[in-house]
Amino acid sequence: GAVVSQHPSRVICKSGTSVKIECRSLDFQATTMFWYRQFPKKSLMLMATSNEGSKATYEQGVEKDKFLINHASLTLSTLTVTSAHPEDSSFYICSAPPGLPDLNTEAFFGQGTRLTVV
Amino acid sequence: KQEVTQIPAALSVPEGENLVLNCSFTDSAIYNLQWFRQDPGKGLTSLLLIQSSQREQTSGRLNASLDKSSGRSTLYIAASQPGDSATYLCAVPPSGTYKYIFGTGTRLKVLA
Repeated sequence: GAVVSQHPSRVICKSGTSVKIECRSLDFQATTMFWYRQFPKKSLMLMATSNEGSKATYEQGVEKDKFLINHASLTLSTLTVTSAHPEDSSFYICSAPPGLPDLNTEAFFGQGTRLTVV
Repeated sequence: KQEVTQIPAALSVPEGENLVLNCSFTDSAIYNLQWFRQDPGKGLTSLLLIQSSQREQTSGRLNASLDKSSGRSTLYIAASQPGDSATYLCAVPPSGTYKYIFGTGTRLKVLA
């Protein structure tokens, strides 16, 4: 089946630095990918939609300049947390819909990235 | 705006019990509903996907049902085991999109 690979799985960084998280579709092309964030003991919330060849679409309340999204190719989307602060510590996960426009199949999720800002 | 709620928020049961997790959603215009499992600090494992035209899906000891008209889904776990301990999430993509709206989750603990 289709696989979405997310890297790194864990990252610890210092306040003020930037962190890049990669999301790759391994055996299919994804013109769209989605980024979610999960606060401790909370559910996942959609942050933004990554669009290959155009700007990302952000959900209300998500800072565009803080969370930079680049959909560089049909198999890669990156989320960069800029000037990270402890409150950015969270679990981030990406997903990609299947290659064909079939809305009756599931989206595929990456393994997630646990970000800790110290 | 679609809202997804799960009851109970937490559940602790002895091994061997059959149990039911509930998921409700406010907008019945969905293409499918998916149940996931999330282990602490880990990603998501897809358990069952129910198409909007289906009433239920089964996989091993798991059975999920869907009633679109009432905005409800249940996940039935038979003969629970300690290895079933995890957080269970239901999620629905609004019609025409893969943007999943996740439920609030049920934290399950099965005691040996």
